[in-house]
Amino acid sequence: ETGVTQTPRHLVMGMTNKKSLKCEQHLGHNAMYWYKQSAKKPLELMFVYSLEERVENNSVPSRFSPECPNSSHLFLHLHTLQPEDSALYLCASSQAGYNEQFFGPGTRLTVL
Amino acid sequence: GEDVEQSLFLSVREGDSSVINCTYTDSSSTYLYWYKQEPGAGLQLLTYIFSNMDMKQDQRLTVLLNKKDKHLSLRIADTQTGDSAIYFCAVNTGRRALTFGSGTRLQVQP
Repeated sequence: ETGVTQTPRHLVMGMTNKKSLKCEQHLGHNAMYWYKQSAKKPLELMFVYSLEERVENNSVPSRFSPECPNSSHLFLHLHTLQPEDSALYLCASSQAGYNEQFFGPGTRLTVL
Repeated sequence: GEDVEQSLFLSVREGDSSVINCTYTDSSSTYLYWYKQEPGAGLQLLTYIFSNMDMKQDQRLTVLLNKKDKHLSLRIADTQTGDSAIYFCAVNTGRRALTFGSGTRLQVQP
């Protein structure tokens, strides 16, 4: 595997389900990001982890819970989502916190 | 906070040049980026320019930066149908992540 990978690529879930999105980077970076991309809004930064520590949380509802167990892996735990949370969730990584960011292919989430 | 603006749509004929424009508000932006997103895919870094440069050329891509007007452009020479995608401008201002524009959808007509 190379670059940034995300699984699953597509996810359909009910409002009462609990699921997790996974991101893995194979670039030796030390920062990872979650973005939300929807038709109504441009790319929205959700969370930033630098050296496995959360350094930014952009007023994201608590039904989204990130986890960064090490510098290569990032998770987004989802529970009791709303239909308006349906979007493309993109993971990215970078070196030194915020220079060139490399993106994964995204997870297309649909909340029924 | 930082604001990044792009026009939403551009249509060109195959073989023509495409110019995608971006304006930003924070004059302290140090790195400015162009990303490409094809349908169903993530964002692919195309090129970037440092704020102390006016122009950068990379094969068919030319990036122009006007710091005075806070204006960034991406020119694609000899545009091909494979260039059809959404192009995002992004700037780094010292925050821990990039600020993205809303993206410009480029449609290339044969």
